[in-house]
Amino acid sequence: NAGVMQNPRHLVRRRGQEARLRCSPMKGHSHVYWYRQLPEEGLKFMVYLQKENIIDESGMPKERFSAEFPKEGPSILRIQQVVRGDSAAYFCASSPPGPQNQPQHFGDGTRLSIL
Amino acid sequence: QKEVEQDPGPLSVPEGAIVSLNCTYSNSAFQYFMWYRQYSRKGPELLMYTYSSGNKEDGRFTAQVDKSSKYISLFIRDSQPSDSATYLCAMSGAGNQFYFGTGTSLTVIP
Repeated sequence: NAGVMQNPRHLVRRRGQEARLRCSPMKGHSHVYWYRQLPEEGLKFMVYLQKENIIDESGMPKERFSAEFPKEGPSILRIQQVVRGDSAAYFCASSPPGPQNQPQHFGDGTRLSIL
Repeated sequence: QKEVEQDPGPLSVPEGAIVSLNCTYSNSAFQYFMWYRQYSRKGPELLMYTYSSGNKEDGRFTAQVDKSSKYISLFIRDSQPSDSATYLCAMSGAGNQFYFGTGTSLTVIP
């Protein structure tokens, strides 16, 4: 499967635990984006990364949330000390290297539920 | 005011109808415009990608951009039940952020 791969598809955590969401971009893509989707609110940009660099994290909450895209391996979105309000679908998208604004291709998301 | 406005619907049409989906936006710097289709419990799937004003056609789908009115449209001809999904518009300017509409839910009735 050459598409954007996200895992796990579903993740259940209790309040105060940590959540780790993984994203492997499409083959040949070096730009990764994370979005959060809530019902009736659309996709909200969180962070844009290239290999080993955070390019734009203006959509990330200042506390508890972090993201990385290491030289080897998938991109990780990490949420520490989760709260009920973190329940949402988190989508990863990737785009090829080159000029910005190239279309982004999405994975099928991770649905995070906080008990 | 939101960057991108999209009527959430729901929109219900008979099979074979022409569907018109629309978004308006406020940022005149937007130059890149996209339409995505999202089935339930799946990720958004890119349908159309256009730059600046004008029309683009791909099979049964036509995307239109009117930058003077800050208005974009997606037309679906000969709609099929398999077109039933949520349609998201997205756009960006010179930066790397994409701004999405909230999506329009479409049902095509056989």
